[in-house]
Amino acid sequence: EAEVAQSPRYKITEKSQAVAFWCDPISGHATLYWYRQILGQGPELLVQFQDESVVDDSQLPKDRFSAERLKGVDSTLKIQPAELGDSAMYLCASSLNRWISGQEQYFGPGTRLTVT
Amino acid sequence: DAKTTQPNSMESNEEEPVHLPCNHSTISGTDYIHWYRQLPSQGPEYVIHGLTSNVNNRMASLAIAEDRKSSTLILHRATLRDAAVYYCILEFLQGAQKLVFGQGTRLTINP
Repeated sequence: EAEVAQSPRYKITEKSQAVAFWCDPISGHATLYWYRQILGQGPELLVQFQDESVVDDSQLPKDRFSAERLKGVDSTLKIQPAELGDSAMYLCASSLNRWISGQEQYFGPGTRLTVT
Repeated sequence: DAKTTQPNSMESNEEEPVHLPCNHSTISGTDYIHWYRQLPSQGPEYVIHGLTSNVNNRMASLAIAEDRKSSTLILHRATLRDAAVYYCILEFLQGAQKLVFGQGTRLTINP
């Protein structure tokens, strides 16, 4: 069964350093999502792509976070500089197409980030 | 964003049915009701979704109230592997399929 791949699975970085996460969605999925999940809370959407275009980044802290999906396939989420409060699980998900309602989102295993 | 309300935690016994409630009194006519679950140290996993009618799949059943202001996820025979956080989510389009996760219900299954 096809899966969403993410790497690395775990990342420890020091405050003020740069960090990047990678996501490879299920083949053929046009829509890609990045979520952040703080321990004990539900996932929060950071950014949504349709193909290579950002369609929702209203919750993305744009002063330090950036996301790209240059060829409309895999995606990278970057944080620079990292802050202690960025420690969280970063989840990537994909779905067939954002215009189709009632469809399933497939989540990857996540990247656990610890900022020291 | 339309909001859902779920109990923080529930407990049940192995091989018994489990009914997980969700209130969504501000749901609009086009909002789908989704359920996802998250096992420890894993990403969320889709369980089921519906719009107006009750739905069944291999994992669970979804019972939707006639006025759509509440729904219940039913696990017919719980196993230890069903222990997870269960999220009830309203999907609204507004130009992009968007899921807004709440706190969810932490389900504990006793052997």
